[in-house]
Amino acid sequence: NAGVTQTPKFRVLKTGQSMTLLCAQDMNHEYMYWYRQDPGMGLRLIHYSVGEGTTAKGEVPDGYNVSRLKKQNFLLGLESAAPSQTSVYFCASGQGYTEAFFGQGTRLTVV
Amino acid sequence: AQTVTQSQPEMSVQEAETVTLSCTYDTSESDYYLFWYKQPPSRQMILVIRQEAYKQQNATENRFSVNFQKAAKSFSLKISDSQLGDAAMYFCAFTKGRSGGGADGLTFGKGTHLIIQP
Repeated sequence: NAGVTQTPKFRVLKTGQSMTLLCAQDMNHEYMYWYRQDPGMGLRLIHYSVGEGTTAKGEVPDGYNVSRLKKQNFLLGLESAAPSQTSVYFCASGQGYTEAFFGQGTRLTVV
Repeated sequence: AQTVTQSQPEMSVQEAETVTLSCTYDTSESDYYLFWYKQPPSRQMILVIRQEAYKQQNATENRFSVNFQKAAKSFSLKISDSQLGDAAMYFCAFTKGRSGGGADGLTFGKGTHLIIQP
């Protein structure tokens, strides 16, 4: 069972570069989420989607964009990376209103 | 908005002993779910246990159990017979239920680092 798969697992970017993180789930979940995890801060919601073609802002959306063109995929984009975006990024999916299932995380460093 | 507070940044327990991790939350919702997630050094987020607010009975999963005090908005995790493999970060999390009108993700506490002493 693949569950939730994130690509890549590690990445180093230079300030100002762009990149896209890919999340894929094979559980037919309607809801998908992107979180970031910083030391001492827990996980904070960046953006989420309640279905194909829909997205919404979470707690910390600035500097990120997302797209959900297919039900199984949820993309997180950084148009112009900044050092403040150095973090571990988690994708999750779920049926909504209950627990979420997480990917393995992506460690992103912006230098 | 909901908030989740974990007041213990770090806890330490002897192997085979029992430890309790604290979590309090604040919400105006009546329909919600609470969770404990475990994050070992591998970074994977693993669901340990969940509690539905409308259920008065405390959830249990093998050595893991919760003490859910709805009026006090408290949700503590008890780990019995602690094992070395229990060493990890533990996160308490909240989500609104279906009647809350949205599935806008989990709100997490800042975590408790659990150390198991052999």
